[in-house]
Amino acid sequence: DTGVSQDPRHKITKRGQNVTFRCDPISEHNRLYWYRQTLGQGPEFLTYFQNEAQLEKSRLLSDRFSAERPKGSFSTLEIQRTEQGDSAMYLCASTTQGGDTEAFFGQGTRLTVV
Amino acid sequence: GENVEQHPSTLSVQEGDSAVIKCTYSDSASNYFPWYKQELGKRPQLIIDIRSNVGEKKDQRIAVTLNKTAKHFSLHITETQPEDSAVYFCAASSNYQLIWGAGTKLIIKP
Repeated sequence: DTGVSQDPRHKITKRGQNVTFRCDPISEHNRLYWYRQTLGQGPEFLTYFQNEAQLEKSRLLSDRFSAERPKGSFSTLEIQRTEQGDSAMYLCASTTQGGDTEAFFGQGTRLTVV
Repeated sequence: GENVEQHPSTLSVQEGDSAVIKCTYSDSASNYFPWYKQELGKRPQLIIDIRSNVGEKKDQRIAVTLNKTAKHFSLHITETQPEDSAVYFCAASSNYQLIWGAGTKLIIKP
């Protein structure tokens, strides 16, 4: 599969623990997005990168969330001191350029905080 | 900022009938309007999109219409089939960011 891949697919963690997710975009895509999706809702924008630069971060995003894309290829999303409200599906998507082209999504990482 | 509203939240239609899902957006600068289909437990996948310089686009049984003046766009699915059952999301893009509707659960009744 040469699409967007995410790892792990599922993560169960205890409240207060830190978790890190990885996203490998389609290789020629220079834009990478992170979204959060809860049941019955559309994807909620978290942050996006153009190459290695993080250009925008949602105002709704807590300081406990941080994302990196150090070499402009794969990206990581870390959540520190997880809370039960962080439980959701975390989706990564990549595109070739701006917001007017198809976004290809990964399978997502389902996080459950217990 | 952009806000996208989507209706209805659930739509049940008889197999073979048509389904229409509507979205409105707030930012007149938005210029790209994709529709994604998400089956249970799977990733969202693009089914059709339209840009602001076009009023209508069709791909087999699926069509999208855009009214820039009224700031709304709609998805039309004709001759619905069981495999059309899924959640459908509209989105509006301004510059780099897609703002998503809350989704419509489409149920196709046999």
